[in-house]
Amino acid sequence: DAGVTQSPTHLIKTRGQQVTLRCSPKSGHDTVSWYQQALGQGPQFIFQYYEEEERQRGNFPDRFSGHQFPNYSSELNVNALLLGDSALYLCASSLVQPTEAFFGQGTRLTVV
Amino acid sequence: GIQVEQSPPDLILQEGANSTLRCNFSDSVNNLQWFHQNPWGQLINLFYIPSGTKQNGRLSATTVATERYSLLYISSSQTTDSGVYFCAADNDYKLSFGAGTTVTVRA
Repeated sequence: DAGVTQSPTHLIKTRGQQVTLRCSPKSGHDTVSWYQQALGQGPQFIFQYYEEEERQRGNFPDRFSGHQFPNYSSELNVNALLLGDSALYLCASSLVQPTEAFFGQGTRLTVV
Repeated sequence: GIQVEQSPPDLILQEGANSTLRCNFSDSVNNLQWFHQNPWGQLINLFYIPSGTKQNGRLSATTVATERYSLLYISSSQTTDSGVYFCAADNDYKLSFGAGTTVTVRA
């Protein structure tokens, strides 16, 4: 049983560029959440997708957007990258009701 | 959203020692999880424990939901236990994480 998979694992982008990160949930899961983890801090919730719609959103600007596909996989898009967007981006999957969440290995984004 | 506080922020142990990590949360929860983050950044699930007590090998956890805290016990610590331990709580479909406890186990 494949767990949560994310791609790519590492990425370097220039300020002002746009980036797309991808996540495939654990088999049987229908809900995908994205988190940003800055160095030395705990992960911060960005948003959650269920039934192809954004169900919850954290305190992140509109430059952060997402999408969920019919197969439950998800993308995180960040526009107009800033140096402060450099972080580890984590994807988590779960079932829709409050249940155990499982995380992917993350995508480490560096903005230069 | 729910506030999560972890203590202590740092813990240094001699191999073989026991330790307790604490997680306080500000509201009732639907989900409470403990994670160990490996050096490559992946969050490894340790316990899903919104209430009660669970054990897995040398690790165990207890959540007292009515008093809004959870404890993670590490017994007979090994160097491989080193890393950052996170507690995360959920009461509105999103996990709120504490700042973590960095555990260093010395041989």
